[in-house]
Amino acid sequence: NAGVTQTPKFQVLKTGQSMTLQCAQDMNHNSMYWYRQDPGMGLRLIYYSASEGTTDKGEVPNGYNVSRLNKREFSLRLESAAPSQTSVYFCASSLTTGIVHEQYFGPGTRLTVT
Amino acid sequence: EDQVTQSPEALRLQEGESSSLNCSYTVSGLRGLFWYRQDPGKGPEFLFTLYSAGEEKEKERLKATLTKKESFLHITAPKPEDSATYLCAVPWRGSNYKLTFGKGTLLTVNP
Repeated sequence: NAGVTQTPKFQVLKTGQSMTLQCAQDMNHNSMYWYRQDPGMGLRLIYYSASEGTTDKGEVPNGYNVSRLNKREFSLRLESAAPSQTSVYFCASSLTTGIVHEQYFGPGTRLTVT
Repeated sequence: EDQVTQSPEALRLQEGESSSLNCSYTVSGLRGLFWYRQDPGKGPEFLFTLYSAGEEKEKERLKATLTKKESFLHITAPKPEDSATYLCAVPWRGSNYKLTFGKGTLLTVNP
């Protein structure tokens, strides 16, 4: 049981390049999330998917797109990377019921945009 | 705007010296409060969920408590391996999915 996995672990991009961050979970969770973590800013929600087939914006969605490929996988795409997108990106997943459930996080992707 | 404030920003303890971390929030109608531990270079690790005022949860040397305005993470007789950043989070008003995280307390336990 791997939990939440993310690829790649590290990435360096030049300004204007694109890339996709991959995330998968094996806990049969309905909901998945993408966060970024920056020094002094804490964790901020970029996008989330409440269930397969749905996605919605979080606090800082500009410059990103997401795809919920199936129940297990949720990807984050940077179409034209900017230095301001240098950050650590975390994927998370949670159960979906009538109450708010804890989220389980992956190990993160460390992205540098030069 | 809903806010989550953690204090202190950093705390240095000697091994065995008990203390508490604070998480205060402004969201009304709290529908859950979550505590996480984060080690350097790793993702947040879930510790506790608290749903109602007066609730307490314990795990080894950690105990989390909840009031109507704040939560405390009590650390009893800490060990160096308890050194980490501790994060708390609460749901956005009206959402069962979106969480607002505090900026965390960096705990260092010296042997």
